[in-house]
Amino acid sequence: IAGITQAPTSQILAAGRRMTLRCTQDMRHNAMYWYRQDLGLGLRLIHYSNTAGTTGKGEVPDGYSVSRANTDDFPLTLASAVPSQTSVYFCASSPTSGNEQFFGPGTRLTVL
Amino acid sequence: GQNIDQPTEMTATEGAIVQINCTYQTSGFNGLFWYQQHAGEAPTFLSYNVLDGLEEKGRFSSFLSRSKGYSYLLLKELQMKDSASYLCAEGNNRLAFGKGNQVVVIP
Repeated sequence: IAGITQAPTSQILAAGRRMTLRCTQDMRHNAMYWYRQDLGLGLRLIHYSNTAGTTGKGEVPDGYSVSRANTDDFPLTLASAVPSQTSVYFCASSPTSGNEQFFGPGTRLTVL
Repeated sequence: GQNIDQPTEMTATEGAIVQINCTYQTSGFNGLFWYQQHAGEAPTFLSYNVLDGLEEKGRFSSFLSRSKGYSYLLLKELQMKDSASYLCAEGNNRLAFGKGNQVVVIP
């Protein structure tokens, strides 16, 4: 692995289903982030983690949860997906908070 | 709170110069980032300003005025590959992004 990866690349999901988007980085960055990007709205922060073991809420956290058990992984879970969660999801990391963020390739999620 | 405003789209000719503006309102300024995003791809970092003035990086320069809540990104000697969306973002760990400015470079 080089950099930051996300899985799956894309997913179509039935409403009400549970889904976990995976994000892994091998740069030993302390801080990690989840954004969603919607046409006309730009990138919006969902949750973030300044260091392993800590998480915080961003601008649009409702309906999403995260965990940060170790430095490398920062999964995003939709407990019960709804159509309004259809979006492109980007994971990002930075050496510490306040540095430039490196983005993963994104996950395109469609909730029907 | 934070409020980021960017114009939406502009077209420019190859070799030209284009300026992309960004205004922001925040209760506590932490820094201003510029990212480039090609269609269907992830954003990539371009520049960071925390002090007033101009930061130059090759063909790209970024300017910040904290008193005016204003930044711009200057793209010089435009190339076709510069066709992308340019995003400004203010913050520290909790970045607030503008909606992005789509630049279309034509021959």
